[in-house]
Parts: sequence; C-alpha cells; structure tokens
Amino acid sequence: GQNIDQPTEMTATEGAIVQINCTYQTSGFNGLFWYQQHAGEAPTFLSYNVLDGLEEKGRFSSFLSRSKGYSYLLLKELQMKDSASYLCARNPNSGGYQKVTFGIGTKLQVIP
Amino acid sequence: ETGVTQSPTHLIKTRGQQVTLRCSSQSGHNTVSWYQQALGQGPQFIFQYYREEENGRGNFPPRFSGLQFPNYSSELNVNALELDDSALYLCASSSSTGVAYGYTFGSGTRLTVV
Repeated sequence: GQNIDQPTEMTATEGAIVQINCTYQTSGFNGLFWYQQHAGEAPTFLSYNVLDGLEEKGRFSSFLSRSKGYSYLLLKELQMKDSASYLCARNPNSGGYQKVTFGIGTKLQVIP
Repeated sequence: ETGVTQSPTHLIKTRGQQVTLRCSSQSGHNTVSWYQQALGQGPQFIFQYYREEENGRGNFPPRFSGLQFPNYSSELNVNALELDDSALYLCASSSSTGVAYGYTFGSGTRLTVV
C-alpha cells in the first residue's frame, strides 16, 4: 500500500500475545484503522485511532504515535480463529473517507 | 439492519469486454467507496461516492467509472477490460458522520478476465 509499511507474514502460538506493527506517512494524517480479513472474505473493522496512546477492546488493542508515524495492533490470548490478514489503513482526511489507503496486510498464522 | 450486498459474487469476462458491478449500501450509510484487491495485496482505492457525486478518486484510469443512486446504492463500471483487472472488487459503505466506526465491506465480486 502507498506510504504504509507492515510485515507481510507473522507466526504465533495459540494462547500467546502478538504485536503487528505499522508505519505510515505522517503528513496529512488524521487517523489509523485496523481491519481483519480472513482468507476469501471481506475486511472487518477492528479499531480506529485518532489520538496518541493505547485503546483496548477485549483481546485486541491498538496503539498510535502520531509524531512517529507508528501504530501497532496487539492480540492477546491468541486463538486459532485469529489466523487472518491484518490490514493497517491510513485516513488522510478530517472528515469523510476520501482515499483511505490500505497497507498490504500482515498474514498472521496461529499455530497450536 | 442490513449489511452491504454486492452482486454478482463471481464473474468471468473476456479481455476488451465491459463489466458492471453492483453494491447496496448498509442502511443509514450515505457514502460508498470501491476498492480493488489483487491476490496477496491490500485493497487499492478506486473512488468514493457521496450524494450521487464522485468524492475522491485513486490512481485508476477513466475506464473505471461509477454511479451512486438516490438510495445510496452504487455501480462500478469497467470498460475495455484488461487481464490485470482480474481481482476482488470490494464495496465499502460508511456514514459521513461515523468516521470512528470505519467501513462496512461487502463480500466482494471476484472478477476474472481471460
């Protein structure tokens, strides 16, 4: 994806914690999305960060540092069903959704 | 509350042909965005429609065009199909006042150009 970098693949063990990193272009930035996409399915919304810091939603947490152009998605107590691609997406606008740019996605494999 | 519906789910076309893909947005959503996702890649922004007008466009040639109707449903038209147009086409609906809730994606149309 344009101006967004994330690892292409990661492997983690069931029950463990995994952190998926994303760096992005800071100019014209207004928010950072994370989506989950299972193979052959549509992406589903996980989180949206606008301000710096960590936001927790159950087993999933997302962190943002606007000055560093850096975000991560933290998945705790991994389950086999968490095997999917995780897409980082940058919102360049203060309102609306023009040109939300997605990264290539990080394919996470959870192993027993 | 209904989700986003796309049709058809799969389509095979010949190079040079034209195709129309359809999308019904989620109830309460007034904005539709179209994305192209090649195998192993992230979704690439094609364009967005708001109040029946194009409201932003990605790096796609003019042979990619669209429409939005008064009920907020939308069409994506692709003329003069090329082999590289083979991809999953995703429609995403959203509310202009609900940025924090993100997109709701449809299941996509898998287009194969031969």
